Amino acid sequence: GENVEQHPSTLSVQEGDSAVIKCTYSDSASNYFPWYKQELGKGPQLIIDIRSNVGEKKDQRIAVTLNKTAKHFSLHITETQPEDSAVYFCAASKSQSGGYNKLIFGAGTRLAVHP
Amino acid sequence: ETGVTQTPRHLVMGMTNKKSLKCEQHLGHNAMYWYKQSAKKPLELMFVYNFKEQTENNSVPSRFSPECPNSSHLFLHLHTLQPEDSALYLCASSQDGVATNEKLFFGSGTQLSVL
Repeated sequence: GENVEQHPSTLSVQEGDSAVIKCTYSDSASNYFPWYKQELGKGPQLIIDIRSNVGEKKDQRIAVTLNKTAKHFSLHITETQPEDSAVYFCAASKSQSGGYNKLIFGAGTRLAVHP
Repeated sequence: ETGVTQTPRHLVMGMTNKKSLKCEQHLGHNAMYWYKQSAKKPLELMFVYNFKEQTENNSVPSRFSPECPNSSHLFLHLHTLQPEDSALYLCASSQDGVATNEKLFFGSGTQLSVL
């Protein structure tokens, strides 16, 4: 079945620096790649997603890139701020016959942004 | 507030107890999910309900019993749990149970401790 590897497990940056989190997936049929942010005491919240027909997507300070050949995708956060501190999860899924979204998640990256 | 409400937020139970987790979504979605989140592990999909019908049971032990009386409510009934079942249990929903790769909206979870 699908497997998603995420690195690094922890990341510490200074405010204003950039942060990059990388994920690889195993199933070449995967076609949807979301990123979730989980703050303390809350559930994961979708921050950006990309589909397999797109190589890059940007939303203000965050961007995601996808390399289908290498089966990896990355989250880029620029000009980091203390409120970016959280656990970030990547995920991958493919179309299911039942029509629902069966996401396979990475193990998460704990990002700490220091003032 | 994501529109997905889980109760209780915290639960401590003994191995012989019976308890239930409740999830309610106010988003008009048709698919609902239970995920298990353990420390330093990827989110694990447990169950999926699509238009009130169970479409996925990810090899979950029978001591976990889901119930979906309607598209807005989802329960997870617990009985004779083991200490290794201690984790954060997350409920999620997605809009269209027919289309795939829909965005998941998570609740804040129930932190379960089994003594």
